[in-house]
Amino acid sequence: QKEVEQNSGPLSVPEGAIASLNCTYSDRVSQSFFWYRQYSGKSPELIMSIYSNGDKEDGRFTAQLNKASQYVSLLIRDSQPSDSATYLCAADFGNEKLTFGTGTRLTIIP
Amino acid sequence: SQTIHQWPATLVQPVGSPLSLECTVEGTSNPNLYWYRQAAGRGLQLLFYSVGIGQISSEVPQNLSASRPQDRQFILSSKKLLLSDSGFYLCAWRRLELGTQYFGPGTRLLVL
Repeated sequence: QKEVEQNSGPLSVPEGAIASLNCTYSDRVSQSFFWYRQYSGKSPELIMSIYSNGDKEDGRFTAQLNKASQYVSLLIRDSQPSDSATYLCAADFGNEKLTFGTGTRLTIIP
Repeated sequence: SQTIHQWPATLVQPVGSPLSLECTVEGTSNPNLYWYRQAAGRGLQLLFYSVGIGQISSEVPQNLSASRPQDRQFILSSKKLLLSDSGFYLCAWRRLELGTQYFGPGTRLLVL
């Protein structure tokens, strides 16, 4: 069974601090990984994709991929109250579909 | 640019009634299409996906069915709704060259 695991949280971070979200996956074959943000009552929104080992930065967001250790993380710098949401990690195991984690609920405390 | 539409946005249906939810994608051709359900406070459950017209893969056996009558149209149906069918139904399309996947706005279904 190919799986993606996330700590369900909730994770509380003070405003202005760095929020760190982690995800592990079960299959070394995975090549592509994605982070989605889902606000309460809304559909998930793609915020980052990462395909190779290392870091990928986009504004306040940095995705980190370590294929040897089979984990992917998302760092949010200078956290804002608007970052409060559930963050979903997803992996492409090469079987026509993405496998999603159950999500981590993040709360930014003003 | 690509857009994905779902309707209706919300739906309240009695137990035992039929269901038809529609999803259409604009601005792309031959996308992979997906139906997910999300129960309140829970993760995404993949229900069906399609890699082409008339091609449907079912992930979870249940009283729902899906059809893809046209390249950019995906329909989720039920002949008789159950209370447990309540949830947030999400359609998604996937850009195959990058593997990225995009969700529609969703349909919130309440079965009473």
